[in-house]
Amino acid sequence: AQKITQTQPGMFVQEKEAVTLDCTYDTSDQSYGLFWYKQPSSGEMIFLIYQGSYDEQNATEGRYSLNFQKARKSANLVISASQLGDSAMYFCAMSPGRSGGSNYKLTFGKGTLLTVNP
Amino acid sequence: ETGVTQTPRHLVMGMTNKKSLKCEQHLGHNAMYWYKQSAKKPLELMFVYNFKEQTENNSVPSRFSPECPNSSHLFLHLHTLQPEDSALYLCASSPPGPLTEAFFGQGTRLTVV
Repeated sequence: AQKITQTQPGMFVQEKEAVTLDCTYDTSDQSYGLFWYKQPSSGEMIFLIYQGSYDEQNATEGRYSLNFQKARKSANLVISASQLGDSAMYFCAMSPGRSGGSNYKLTFGKGTLLTVNP
Repeated sequence: ETGVTQTPRHLVMGMTNKKSLKCEQHLGHNAMYWYKQSAKKPLELMFVYNFKEQTENNSVPSRFSPECPNSSHLFLHLHTLQPEDSALYLCASSPPGPLTEAFFGQGTRLTVV
């Protein structure tokens, strides 16, 4: 079974500063994927960034980067130069790496509510 | 816009009503999903469909009945729901392969009264 833990229910950051959202995971799979999603108040889950378990480089997408530490089983999201529009819920998720539809399912953490202050 | 559209966006229904949630995607994805998001709980996977075939039912009560007539459309039929079923229901789709991101709709906010 896979498990995602997000220990920060809420985080505050000043506009233009960087912020790190924590995520730890637990799995017995050798191959897996890690994802971060953003959920604004409108409800839609927006995909931000992906890291494969065998990727040696940390993933980056614009202002988002994923600090992947495999030995510690952590996949923290770093948002640089925060903007007011970044205020939202952020979810860490993972999926097993086996192929086949029945094995494809995202396991989500409880989320972190990020508030960006002006 | 992710390319996944859910209707209605909001739904209020009585416990004796029958209603349906609709999800549509034209991204060419072969897999579609229903998730339930309750307050202060992680997203819970309900159903998975792969090429129109149901491949996962995560112990969902029978008062939730999914239907996938083709790879682009997914429905969730609701009947005799309970107040605790009030939640945000999210539909998602994904391309082939396990390590690909899922694209989500904006969800249907369901309130059972």
